Amino acid sequence: DIQMTQSPASLSASLGETVTIECRTSEDIHNALAWYQQKPGRSPQLLIYNANSFHTGVPSRFSGSGSGTQYSLKINSLQSEDVASYFCQQYYDYPLTFGSGTKLEI
Amino acid sequence: QVQLQQSGAELVKPGSSVRISCKASGYTFTSYDMHWIKQQPGNGLEWIGWIYPGNGHAKYNQKFSEKATLTADKSSSTAYMQLSSLTSEDSAVYFCARDYSGSNWFTYWGQGTLVTVSS
Repeated sequence: DIQMTQSPASLSASLGETVTIECRTSEDIHNALAWYQQKPGRSPQLLIYNANSFHTGVPSRFSGSGSGTQYSLKINSLQSEDVASYFCQQYYDYPLTFGSGTKLEI
Repeated sequence: QVQLQQSGAELVKPGSSVRISCKASGYTFTSYDMHWIKQQPGNGLEWIGWIYPGNGHAKYNQKFSEKATLTADKSSSTAYMQLSSLTSEDSAVYFCARDYSGSNWFTYWGQGTLVTVSS
């Protein structure tokens, strides 16, 4: 199985700041990576796919980058509605696997 | 618009089985894989498997191959997941999710079904 190492586990930042969440994979996944946002008590919502492609309706302050085994999600100009947990997911190989999540607090 | 409506919370006894449903609407049910994902409280996400309702073919995460059985009813556009021989480790929220044309990233999610295993 492809192992996903996501960091940090939790993050506290101020409104307007920029934060970055990292996801490292145990082998090259050739950009087959998605990012999801999950607000408390809700289901996850797709933000980014193919490492850097925006899902419809996602604010432009979210961006994804990376290649090989190292990927990141950047959130610019933090807003109060960005309080959530964020997960990465690889779909390069089965079984599909997720990072352990990053809990973002404002 | 695409909607995935899951069945309600379940309280079940250890050793029993439970079946969760996921009713799809707003798209052609038989044309897209339906995935199932497990989330334990405070924990991350685990992929259980997918089913292609068009022909009933399913693919499982080996970890769940003896725990979960995925089926689909084309007539009602409903996907099902049965979990057997339940233990406390199966207590979790279970999501159904549809991918984008076989992409294996999840574009649409159900609201989740909480399964609690307790005597």
